[in-house]
Amino acid sequence: AQSVAQPEDQVNVAEGNPLTVKCTYSVSGNPYLFWYVQYPNRGLQFLLKYITGDNLVKGSYGFEAEFNKSQTSFHLKKPSALVSDSALYFCAVRPYSSASKIIFGSGTRLSIRP
Amino acid sequence: DGGITQSPKYLFRKEGQNVTLSCEQNLNHDAMYWYRQDPGQGLRLIYYSQIVNDFQKGDIAEGYSVSREKKESFPLTVTSAQKNPTAFYLCASSIEVAGRSSTDTQYFGPGTRLTVL
Repeated sequence: AQSVAQPEDQVNVAEGNPLTVKCTYSVSGNPYLFWYVQYPNRGLQFLLKYITGDNLVKGSYGFEAEFNKSQTSFHLKKPSALVSDSALYFCAVRPYSSASKIIFGSGTRLSIRP
Repeated sequence: DGGITQSPKYLFRKEGQNVTLSCEQNLNHDAMYWYRQDPGQGLRLIYYSQIVNDFQKGDIAEGYSVSREKKESFPLTVTSAQKNPTAFYLCASSIEVAGRSSTDTQYFGPGTRLTVL
């Protein structure tokens, strides 16, 4: 079955430190990969996506993600965390064979302490 | 949240009632989606529509119904057959060519929180 896993329910980081939010996937073929962020009682905001090309993708708010085909991972990273980065982060994958459907991970809550 | 609006922001329903959640977009997107979000479960697809007057069931369509009479609008009705409707409902849209795989990003509305009393 096709799936997306975010192995950590919560990640805690001190402000100014680098952060990583992990994502692994299991789909057939070449997937399209996405990261979204959700602030409390709000909709999801698009951060970045990988379609093809350079494995390192840069997105909004200083975030970037690295596609690793051999490890089937798409971890989200930021060199220096801000308190305002505290939110719920979702990884999503769109199988190449799917016309419309995206599979979302269960989400990782990122908490940045001052 | 871009050009997608959802109303109301909060909705309360009594047992046995049908309620309709509104979703409107001014992005000229062809495709629209409804998701349900429960704590710790991520987003689950209820229904989606790639074009006007056409829609398909997602993973958890039972107890829900939709219509797509206009490109801009994709209302979701939560019927009394939905046994556990309390959740946060998210509408999304994307530029999409019907029937073809696409890399297009989905853009989300602000959500409606439905509570059954």
